[in-house]
Amino acid sequence: SQTIHQWPATLVQPVGSPLSLECTVEGTSNPNLYWYRQAAGRGLQLLFYSVGIGQISSEVPQNLSASRPQDRQFILSSKKLLLSDSGFYLCAWSGGWDQPQHFGDGTRLSIL
Amino acid sequence: QKEVEQNSGPLSVPEGAIASLNCTYSDRGSQSFFWYRQYSGKSPELIMSIYSNGDKEDGRFTAQLNKASQYVSLLIRDSQPSDSATYLCAAIGAAGNKLTFGGGTRVLVKP
Repeated sequence: SQTIHQWPATLVQPVGSPLSLECTVEGTSNPNLYWYRQAAGRGLQLLFYSVGIGQISSEVPQNLSASRPQDRQFILSSKKLLLSDSGFYLCAWSGGWDQPQHFGDGTRLSIL
Repeated sequence: QKEVEQNSGPLSVPEGAIASLNCTYSDRGSQSFFWYRQYSGKSPELIMSIYSNGDKEDGRFTAQLNKASQYVSLLIRDSQPSDSATYLCAAIGAAGNKLTFGGGTRVLVKP
């Protein structure tokens, strides 16, 4: 069966510091991968998606970036965090565009 | 303009009753629809998928799809306190390349 791992579970970072969140999927090949952010009490905002190694699409302009160095690895990064980057970051995968997405446990990011 | 709309709630139901959640979507060509459950502080969990008009039942959950009226609903029978969560409706648009989530309906099941 397929599993998705996301870490760390929680992270507290100072403003201006860098960020790296990692997500890996097991049990499937060539998945679509997604990064979402959910602000407190709000809906899901799609940040990035990837349909293959090195292929990244950005949904919203921001100071975040994403990379997919391996088929089942998706990384969310920032060079300098802003206060507004606080939130719950979720990685998800799907078997294709017409398939449901399955989420990792998420990373709760607090910026001080 | 949001493409998938849900009442934010909270929808308060007594234990043992039926919780009825509704969702409307604007993309008439949407073909695939999903319901997710999200407990407070946790990630969304897929509970139902529906692709054809009509009803689909899975345990205490029934999803209903009406493409002509562009709505999807979720019924939770014999509601339990453990069903208290936010339920997210999601639809894949006609272009088949984007899953759009509604804002979610918060459900409170009271013992």
